[in-house]
Amino acid sequence: AQSVTQPDIHITVSEGASLELRCNYSYGATPYLFWYVQSPGQGLQLLLKYFSGDTLVQGIKGFEAEFKRSQSSFNLRKPSVHWSDAAEYFCAVVARGSYIPTFGRGTSLIVHP
Amino acid sequence: EAGVTQFPSHSVIEKGQTVTLRCDPISGHDNLYWYRRVMGKEIKFLLHFVKESKQDESGMPNNRFLAERTGGTYSTLKVQPAELEDSGVYFCASSADGNTIYFGEGSWLTVV
Repeated sequence: AQSVTQPDIHITVSEGASLELRCNYSYGATPYLFWYVQSPGQGLQLLLKYFSGDTLVQGIKGFEAEFKRSQSSFNLRKPSVHWSDAAEYFCAVVARGSYIPTFGRGTSLIVHP
Repeated sequence: EAGVTQFPSHSVIEKGQTVTLRCDPISGHDNLYWYRRVMGKEIKFLLHFVKESKQDESGMPNNRFLAERTGGTYSTLKVQPAELEDSGVYFCASSADGNTIYFGEGSWLTVV
């Protein structure tokens, strides 16, 4: 069955530390891949997306993500986390030929000063 | 360019009442989606419009929910009668190509 998995429910990091949030998918063909962020009381903001081509994609707010076909993963990274990055992060996929994003359950990021 | 806008941003209603949520997509976007997130749970797909047509409404939880998109512009999602379990955040999203999807700020519904 098609699925998208974010194995970490919560991640805690210190401000200034690096960050990696994991996302794995299970689809027959490589889907379109997205990361969204939801800050407290806010809507969903698109951070970055991958359709094809360069497997390292740059997004807003200093985030990047790397697509690894062999691992069916699309992990989100940031070299130095800021307190304002505390939020919930969602990986989403759109299967080729579909128009419906499917979301992972989200990873809540806690940033310690 | 305006993004996806949703109204109201917050609503508190009593069980049994009716609430209508409105979504204005990004201008020119034919694809419009409704999603819902119940507190602490996953973001769940409700339905998908292409212009005024419902392409997929497999996520609508029951017949208390009615979505419309007359004229293919804005959309409304009506919950009638509301139940306690309907509380959550209702997200609307739109897309020009069906691939990159932009979300609104959400309508936060509390049923008491």
